[in-house]
Amino acid sequence: SQELEQSPQSLIVQEGKNLTINCTSSKTLYGLYWYKQKYGEGLIFLMMLQKGGEEKSHEKITAKLDEKKQQSSLHITASQPSHAGIYLCGAVMDTGRRALTFGSGTRLQVQP
Amino acid sequence: DARVTQTPRDKVTEMGQEVTMRCQPILGHNTVFWYRQTMMQGLELLAYFRNRAPLDDSGMPKDRFSAEMPDATLATLKIQPSEPRDSAVYFCASGLVLAGVINNEQFFGPGTRLTVL
Repeated sequence: SQELEQSPQSLIVQEGKNLTINCTSSKTLYGLYWYKQKYGEGLIFLMMLQKGGEEKSHEKITAKLDEKKQQSSLHITASQPSHAGIYLCGAVMDTGRRALTFGSGTRLQVQP
Repeated sequence: DARVTQTPRDKVTEMGQEVTMRCQPILGHNTVFWYRQTMMQGLELLAYFRNRAPLDDSGMPKDRFSAEMPDATLATLKIQPSEPRDSAVYFCASGLVLAGVINNEQFFGPGTRLTVL
């Protein structure tokens, strides 16, 4: 079973619509990372959340980490075709390791 | 604009051949990670190094995979012999991991797409 569950697995939205992607852990998270990946390319770092209740924004993308630090949401406002790609959440699940465990990803398509 | 570089970007080889993938981490970063991405398993850690020393390679099949950092500017991942099930995208990432700090940004390279026939 996945330590980090992402939902939905895929999403198709019309340009201009808002959308939310969720990332849920069964354990308390020490921090939560959001990355975006385009086909054939590497992962682009979006943001990192560490504190319960923390919220960060970059352009039209906002991410939150809930108070209990077991779930994060990524919200895109007024989606554009440039937002299309795969969104991955990652987290340090073991403080003894600094490597990230990743969710399975959410594939986003934005239709013009 | 500092970035992680990986070579080759694409590699097609036949089963049984040796494959070497290279990564140049961002200058000044002390930690290098190797991840593998497949449709079935998603993105998973193979190994990582801190200050060139291997810290964890539990995700790597030891009989055929080896990872090294001959110097601070080069990390290598070698598969010998390669098998069709090794087909995947291999990512290198680097970061500056500070003592006592759990969360640190990890910057990913563009990946090496490996196809083993």
